[in-house]
Amino acid sequence: EAQVTQNPRYLITVTGKKLTVTCSQNMNHEYMSWYRQDPGLGLRQIYYSMNVEVTDKGDVPEGYKVSRKEKRNFPLILESPSPNQTSLYFCASRRGRSYEQYFGPGTRLTVT
Amino acid sequence: GNSVTQMEGPVTLSEEAFLTINCTYTATGYPSLFWYVQYPGEGLQLLLKATKADDKGSNKGFEATYRKETTSFHLEKGSVQVSDSAVYFCALSDRDGGSNYKLTFGKGTLLTVNP
Repeated sequence: EAQVTQNPRYLITVTGKKLTVTCSQNMNHEYMSWYRQDPGLGLRQIYYSMNVEVTDKGDVPEGYKVSRKEKRNFPLILESPSPNQTSLYFCASRRGRSYEQYFGPGTRLTVT
Repeated sequence: GNSVTQMEGPVTLSEEAFLTINCTYTATGYPSLFWYVQYPGEGLQLLLKATKADDKGSNKGFEATYRKETTSFHLEKGSVQVSDSAVYFCALSDRDGGSNYKLTFGKGTLLTVNP
């Protein structure tokens, strides 16, 4: 089954404790992206990757890092999480310049 | 930059009622337009799309027409069901001046359909 998976689905952590949210897709898509969803703001892009070893900032990259060492994986790293990063995070992938993005199920992160 | 404005709701309807969720956009290029749906506890799913002016996207009884003259992409359904209860996002995809065909989303509209 073609899908985007994310882990963990739920995470509660404390300020400053480094964490990684994993994202994996099995569709051999070149393009992958991270979004955060906040009430009243919709979804905003954090980082994206056009292919292996090619990443760039989206609209709200502050406080986040990413890496793309393999085509299927695109982890989101929070080196020192803060409460304002409490949000619902979605990973997405897309084949080349096709129109449809496939979204993962989301990771709900709470930073206390 | 690009932006999407949609009716924020929440919208509450009775089963078999007519649904309209308004969406307008601002874009510098020639965007593709989408409606995504998010069911409770799930990720976003593409509901329908339109890639050029006057295109009509349709799926599961939902329709939306790409209107360049009014920069709109309103979502409609003639008879909603309880199972249509979800959050609906209008979005556009356009190059951001580089190689990123990112999605720009509206804030979402919560639809609740009562039996």
